[in-house]
Amino acid sequence: DTAVSQTPKYLVTQMGNDKSIKCEQNLGHDTMYWYKQDSKKFLKIMFSYNNKELIINETVPNRFSPKSPDKAHLNLHINSLELGDSAVYFCASSPLRDTGELFFGEGSRLTVL
Amino acid sequence: GQNIDQPTEMTATEGAIVQINCTYQTSGFNGLFWYQQHAGEAPTFLSYNVLDGLEEKGRFSSFLSRSKGYSYLLLKELQMKDSASYLCAVRPRKAAGNKLTFGGGTRVLVKP
Repeated sequence: DTAVSQTPKYLVTQMGNDKSIKCEQNLGHDTMYWYKQDSKKFLKIMFSYNNKELIINETVPNRFSPKSPDKAHLNLHINSLELGDSAVYFCASSPLRDTGELFFGEGSRLTVL
Repeated sequence: GQNIDQPTEMTATEGAIVQINCTYQTSGFNGLFWYQQHAGEAPTFLSYNVLDGLEEKGRFSSFLSRSKGYSYLLLKELQMKDSASYLCAVRPRKAAGNKLTFGGGTRVLVKP
């Protein structure tokens, strides 16, 4: 009965490859996010979608492309992977209300060799 | 720009109290949040302050002073399971999507 689920949990790949991470939420929330947590544990927002519409797009290389086929899904595709892309990527969702409470998935640990 | 500072690490004894401070400088302010993150797991929401004062939730309390750009999270009656990182996050302004800026987290180690 996982609320926010993302796959895969672990991903090890070579530099230059293309990879995708998928996220799904069954909470009925309108807004979904991708956050990146680096080795120093800083969580930084990358993208946010509200009801399939992109509303936050931080300074992220255009090798990163999010896609939201419907409001329950938000996928992240990364082209031409670089060493610096190694991190834990967290998907999250929130209801459209004012608490700012984010519901995070368990994270996808990406290691680029 | 956004700047959020919190100590890197704290150690406390089971049953004691620990206070984790967070200072912030942001362009606009619309709420401060605390999240708990156990090692290798997802962050989970603990508390939310938008007005000055203390919010209490069981063993956890969070305080905010907007004029000082300061918050703290107070953990009482510490338990071993409270060993985790505690992330302070600020929402700079009201906007759709709840954009949060996170600090680097404070790792709390609870010893028996």
